[in-house]
Parts: sequence; structure tokens; C-alpha cells
Amino acid sequence: QVQLQESGPGLVKPSDTLSLTCTVSGDSISSYYWSWIRQPPGKGLEWIGHIFYSGSTNYNPSLKSRVTISVDTSKSQFSLKLSSVTAADTAVYYCARGEFTNDVWARFDYWGQGTLVTVSS
Amino acid sequence: DIQMTQSPSSLSASSGNRVTITCRASQTISSYLNWYQQKPGKAPKLLIYAASSLQSGVPSRFSGSGSGTDFTLTISGLQPEDFATYYCQQSYNTPRTFGGGTKVEIK
Repeated sequence: QVQLQESGPGLVKPSDTLSLTCTVSGDSISSYYWSWIRQPPGKGLEWIGHIFYSGSTNYNPSLKSRVTISVDTSKSQFSLKLSSVTAADTAVYYCARGEFTNDVWARFDYWGQGTLVTVSS
Repeated sequence: DIQMTQSPSSLSASSGNRVTITCRASQTISSYLNWYQQKPGKAPKLLIYAASSLQSGVPSRFSGSGSGTDFTLTISGLQPEDFATYYCQQSYNTPRTFGGGTKVEIK
């Protein structure tokens, strides 16, 4: 059974960098796309970006200037950094597994439980 | 970006009812449409992918249809555990985008 677990600080100061890590267990991190998705309290879902196990990335243009996603296959982890955060970045952040390489039907089939990150001084 | 519009934003229904939720894309997305269920405090759960394919382990009372720009999620025989918020999501291109959600409440 594939499991994803987010970890990182729950409180970040305005203008600082938000850093989260997702640890994958139960399956290889190789050959899949891995995404970060966020949900502000009481609101809908926003895709932040994804990374392929090889390291290639694709970011949401709305956040692209502030986002970096990286992968460490040796640790079965991928990470999110979001710089210059404001209160608008307060959200539950989820990591999720995307499609297998060459699978045309992209979908998020496994999710972490989510971690609330609050931006406040 | 492809905009996804769901309707209604909320609905009330009784157990046993048939419920239909619609999702419209701002441009054609073929069958690149997924549906998720989210309960309070939990991560979304994949129900349907490729517009009509049932994810493994999901009850058969859930079904999806549509292609192009218009899609529907149908719950045939609403069960108590189905009261939740449902989201559509397009996977035609990036950025991946979600609908605003439909909250299914107990009548």
C-alpha cells in the first residue's frame, strides 16, 4: 500500500520560505509524477506543481516565480519550497502521486494526510 | 489555464436518492477528467478517472460520464458515508485545475 507523509513547520513568518517534505513508502518513487496541492481553509484545491522522479518539473504559473520542487530518490522523498510567503499562502498542503510514466490518464491516486501551514508573525 | 465550473455548489439529498453533479470545462478536454471525494479534515479520494473509469475499490454506485467540455458524476443510491464535497479536475494539460466543489449535505 502506497503511503505519503508530509512533514515540515506548521508556522512560517511572512516573507520567509515555506519548506515541506513528502516521504513515500510502500512503492518506488521512480517512474511516477509527484505533486504538491494546497487548500486554503474552507476553500478549494490548487495544484502547485509536480516533479518526475528524474527531476523534471512543471509549476503552476501563478506560483512559478516562488516555487521549487525537488526529489531525492535515495530517500524516497520530494520537497516543496515556497518563498516570500504571505497570509494568502496559509493552507493545508498535500503531496500526491500522479500518473505513471507514459500513462496518458493523469490522476492523483494517492495523497498524504495534509499538513496545515499558517503564515503569521 | 482551463477553468472548471461545477454545479450546483451545494445540494441536499436523502439517503437512497440519486444525485448528479455537473462539471464544465472552459475548453475541450476530451476525457481527461477526474472526480474526487473529500470529507472534512481528510485528503481528497480519487473516485473516477478518464471521465468514466472507476478507481479500484470505489463502490459501483459512483459513475461518471461525458467528454469534451461537459461531464457528470452520478451517485446512484446515496449512502450515509457519501455526504462529502466532490471536486472535478482536468488532466488535459498543466496547470492541473480543479472545480470549485459541490457539497452534498443530508436533507
